[in-house]
Amino acid sequence: DAEITQSPRHKITETGRQVTLACHQTWNHNNMFWYRQDLGHGLRLIHYSYGVHDTNKGEVSDGYSVSRSNTEDLPLTLESAASSQTSVYFCASSRDRNGEQYFGPGTRLTVT
Amino acid sequence: KNQVEQSPQSLIILEGKNCTLQCNYTVSPFSNLRWYKQDTGRGPVSLTIMTFSENTKSNGRYTATLDADTKQSSLHITASQLSDSASYICVVSPPMTTDSWGKLQFGAGTQVVVTP
Repeated sequence: DAEITQSPRHKITETGRQVTLACHQTWNHNNMFWYRQDLGHGLRLIHYSYGVHDTNKGEVSDGYSVSRSNTEDLPLTLESAASSQTSVYFCASSRDRNGEQYFGPGTRLTVT
Repeated sequence: KNQVEQSPQSLIILEGKNCTLQCNYTVSPFSNLRWYKQDTGRGPVSLTIMTFSENTKSNGRYTATLDADTKQSSLHITASQLSDSASYICVVSPPMTTDSWGKLQFGAGTQVVVTP
C-alpha cells in the first residue's frame, strides 16, 4: 500500500546543531508540505513543494530549509537548531494542489 | 490572528452520547472546508470535505455542516465511541484565485475525550 513515512519519530538535539528530518511518500504525489504543531496552535506551514526542484516558503520558514530532488522525498533541515524549534513536525502530500492532504505520523523534535 | 477558531478547546462526553464541535472562520471566500481527526501521536486524517456550496456532509457517525453566511461550521458526532477520543481540527482552504491557494488554514483543534 502507498504511504507516507517520517524519520526519525523522535529526536533530541542540542542548540546550534544541524538537524534533518526525512519525509518519504510512495503515492507519487507532486505536492508535499512540512508543518509544525505546537500546543494551542493549529498546524503551521513551514515549506512546501509543488514538484521536483520546486520549493516555497510557508508562514514560519525562518531557520528551516527544504530541497526536492525527486518526487518521493522532501527532507526538512534545521540549519542551527534553536529551543523555539522544539515541536512536532508533520509532513504531508497531496495529488492535487488543493486536494486532500495525507499526513505522516510526525516527528517529535526536542532542542535542548 | 488565527483565521480559524474552534470551540470548545476540549470536552468530555460519556460513551453513547452525542456532541457538537464548532468552527468559526474568516477566510472568505474559500475553496473547501475540511474536518480532520487526529489521534494522539498520529498525523491528522480527513473526515469530511465540503465545498463552498455544500451545507452538509456525512461520514458514518460524523456529520459536518456549513453556514457560509455566518462563516460557521460544526461537526456532530453521533453515539460516541471510545475510539472517538481524539483532537478534531477544522481546516479552511483558500480559493484558487489567491496566492494562498493550496495553503491550508488550520484551527487549533478541539480535544474530545469519551469516557465509559
